[in-house]
Amino acid sequence: TQLLEQSPQFLSIQEGENLTVYCNSSSVFSSLQWYRQEPGEGPVLLVTVVTGGEVKKLKRLTFQFGDARKDSSLHITAAQTGDTGLYLCAGAPGDFNKFYFGSGTKLNVKP
Amino acid sequence: DTEVTQTPKHLVMGMTNKKSLKCEQHMGHRAMYWYKQKAKKPPELMFVYSYEKLSINESVPSRFSPECPNSSLLNLHLHALQPEDSALYLCASSRGNNQPQHFGDGTRLSIL
Repeated sequence: TQLLEQSPQFLSIQEGENLTVYCNSSSVFSSLQWYRQEPGEGPVLLVTVVTGGEVKKLKRLTFQFGDARKDSSLHITAAQTGDTGLYLCAGAPGDFNKFYFGSGTKLNVKP
Repeated sequence: DTEVTQTPKHLVMGMTNKKSLKCEQHMGHRAMYWYKQKAKKPPELMFVYSYEKLSINESVPSRFSPECPNSSLLNLHLHALQPEDSALYLCASSRGNNQPQHFGDGTRLSIL
């Protein structure tokens, strides 16, 4: 079983649509990170959320950390083809440097 | 461009070969990591070095042997690998414990 469950697993949408990706756990995290990974490359850090209830915006991407610090969401407004990739949430639930990745959401934005 | 550099980008080796993967970062990060990623799966943690000392080994088979010669370099020595070890091997670094990690672009390893 995954410590961090992401949903949906796959998402295929048209350019211009909005979408939300969820990252859920039964464990409390001191912080959560969101990464995007494109084929043949390593994950690229998008954002870190630290405080329960925190909302961070990165252009058309909005990230939220749950009040209890057990879940997070990523909302993309007006998706573009360049948003296509594998989105991963990740965090360390108190263990010393033991980082867990979520199960991943593969997003495909069609022109 | 990533600030974590991994070499080689691709590696094909036989099951009896010995090879090494290399990772370098010059961000002054004191924690470095090796991950294994199979196709369409998230990265899986293998090893963690903190201040050049091995702090986590996720029950990785002994045919994988990590080495951290100094704070900027991380190696992964490979010997007698199996076909199921074919994967993308990612190196990452972070400022310290539980800090966001920065990844290299990985080494695509194929075992014949």
